[in-house]
Amino acid sequence: EVQVVESGGGLIQPGGSLRLSCAASGFSVSDNYMNWVRQAPGKGLEWVSVVYSGGSVYYADSVKGRFTISRDNSKNTLFLQMNSLRGEDTAVYYCATVTVAGQYGLDLWGQGTTVTVSS
Amino acid sequence: DIQMTQSPSSLSASVGDRVTISCRASQSIKNFLHWYYQKPGKAPQLLIYSISSLQSGVPSRFSGSGSETDFTLTISGLQPEDFATYYCQQTYSSPLTFGGGTKVEIK
Repeated sequence: EVQVVESGGGLIQPGGSLRLSCAASGFSVSDNYMNWVRQAPGKGLEWVSVVYSGGSVYYADSVKGRFTISRDNSKNTLFLQMNSLRGEDTAVYYCATVTVAGQYGLDLWGQGTTVTVSS
Repeated sequence: DIQMTQSPSSLSASVGDRVTISCRASQSIKNFLHWYYQKPGKAPQLLIYSISSLQSGVPSRFSGSGSETDFTLTISGLQPEDFATYYCQQTYSSPLTFGGGTKVEIK
């Protein structure tokens, strides 16, 4: 079955660090462009970061310099290292990708993992 | 960065109504425009990709149109399960921005 499953969320104090994981099955994370998208409570979707199959990475301005996206091809897993966390980073974090070659809409999403930044 | 502006931010409609949602990009995004649907507490789902192509399993009452910077999602004959929030997204260039969302509520 083609799926992604996020983990690693939790309650963390401001200034702290957390690493999210997105375990993929049914496809290779190295073959797809893999994204993190977040949604703050009661708010809309906010794109966070992407790693393309060729290795290029990009970030939203709101997380640039604090978050790092990476992948482990041997574990078929995507990561998001989040440092210097702030209250405004509180959100559900989704891993999302494209599974159909030649189309670019995100057709596979995980169930999300919740990050709460609070003292 | 490309800004995506959706309108309206919310609307009230009845079952059977025809509903249109607009999405405007701050610059041309070719055909890299996609629509998503989200129910409360659930992950978003892809509805339409590349402006007008229906994702597998999506009912034909959904359609998309537009070009360059102006795009529209139309629901022809709103059904009870369609009451949700809809988002557009561009994947033409990073950051891959979303619109602010349109919440479709029951009148």
